[in-house]
Amino acid sequence: GAVVSQHPSWVICKSGTSVKIECRSLDFQATTMFWYRQFPKQSLMLMATSNEGSKATYEQGVEKDKFLINHASLTLSTLTVTSAHPEDSSFYICSATKPGQPSEQYFGPGTRLTVT
Amino acid sequence: SQQGEEDPQALSIQEGENATMNCSYKTSINNLQWYRQNSGRGLVHLILIRSNEREKHSGRLRVTLDTSKKSSSLLITASRAADTASYFCATDESSASKIIFGSGTRLSIRP
Repeated sequence: GAVVSQHPSWVICKSGTSVKIECRSLDFQATTMFWYRQFPKQSLMLMATSNEGSKATYEQGVEKDKFLINHASLTLSTLTVTSAHPEDSSFYICSATKPGQPSEQYFGPGTRLTVT
Repeated sequence: SQQGEEDPQALSIQEGENATMNCSYKTSINNLQWYRQNSGRGLVHLILIRSNEREKHSGRLRVTLDTSKKSSSLLITASRAADTASYFCATDESSASKIIFGSGTRLSIRP
């Protein structure tokens, strides 16, 4: 199997605070993990690509100082939304790929972030 | 960035009818995938078609790929209420190790 989990599944935080979302590959080592953001009734937009032990590659328009990504191990990547604002409220989804299989991404169930 | 456009944006059909969704993309690809997403939930992988394939079947799903036109279609036959969801195509660009999602089609099946 290839199971990816995310924690928490939903979170509410106050404006100005930071929130961390975890993405774990439960039964495989993930070469690469991806972070997506999805606003209501819209598609998934790739935010960044993270490889274990190296800096994440951010897509154009995504602020790397606001969305901190850490990929400290082959099974865990974290996304920290710093100084969150209501416009950061969204559905955040991660995915992971296995070594040698870059085309097959395994998606987590997503994290619903609401910033009040 | 968003690679593809999907058409239609929304589709409502009667249960039992067939549903066809189209996806167009811009760059050369290694493969194209279709995903389903129920409201507020994660993605479910439906089918992957490689750039050297033209058609693929999986149960009630039929996917075609026309690389000359940079387009793909997803056909769901004999639709069921449980097929109500958003459907996304996603392309694996030849030049980059990432997949980019299309804009999605919201499918509603009327009982």
